[in-house]
Amino acid sequence: GAGVSQSPSNKVTEKGKDVELRCDPISGHTALYWYRQSLGQGLEFLIYFQGNSAPDKSGLPSDRFSAERTGGSVSTLTIQRTQQEDSAVYLCASSLFGLAGDTDTQYFGPGTRLTVL
Amino acid sequence: GESVGLHLPTLSVQEGDNSIINCAYSNSASDYFIWYKQESGKGPQFIIDIRSNMDKRQGQRVTVLLNKTVKHLSLQIAATQPGDSAVYFCAETLYSSASKIIFGSGTRLSIRP
Repeated sequence: GAGVSQSPSNKVTEKGKDVELRCDPISGHTALYWYRQSLGQGLEFLIYFQGNSAPDKSGLPSDRFSAERTGGSVSTLTIQRTQQEDSAVYLCASSLFGLAGDTDTQYFGPGTRLTVL
Repeated sequence: GESVGLHLPTLSVQEGDNSIINCAYSNSASDYFIWYKQESGKGPQFIIDIRSNMDKRQGQRVTVLLNKTVKHLSLQIAATQPGDSAVYFCAETLYSSASKIIFGSGTRLSIRP
């Protein structure tokens, strides 16, 4: 079946504008994660959704960042008043149960490359 | 705070040789470790994992070693092939809880023909 998809694949925006990044997880996966990857860096955790539980927002770097997951499926990451330091690849991942473990691998999407001019 | 780091940011290996990528972790509470491979333009892909009750786990051409005493993790790739060229990340988390995964900064593996 289809893997995790993200759109757009590339986004160029001007400083101060708002952007929305979309993630379509694998069908049936209850857990969804957003990460940010800056050039040459590892993955920085942003936010985690699991079923109907309140999301873990502990990784969001500022109140300009927010995310929603509608109907337990598609998620949108919104960055308001973008800054140049927001430029990065934003990766989404989903897993079946949201538990770490060899039976619940995270599957990653290809990412959205955001460039803030 | 929590962090996972790598000793070698880049690694160049002759095709056919074995590759060893090292990783240090700082959270002694972590009990589950994962290696990911990320090819250019793609998201990370799961390679192999290990729980803290083990010190070695083997997969196809890959072996992960865990040394809890010094909080060190390594990924060994046997008979390295051109398709192994990628950035490799180690990651740590808690096995039984739905919690975030902490990733390291990555090691780029390049293969010399």
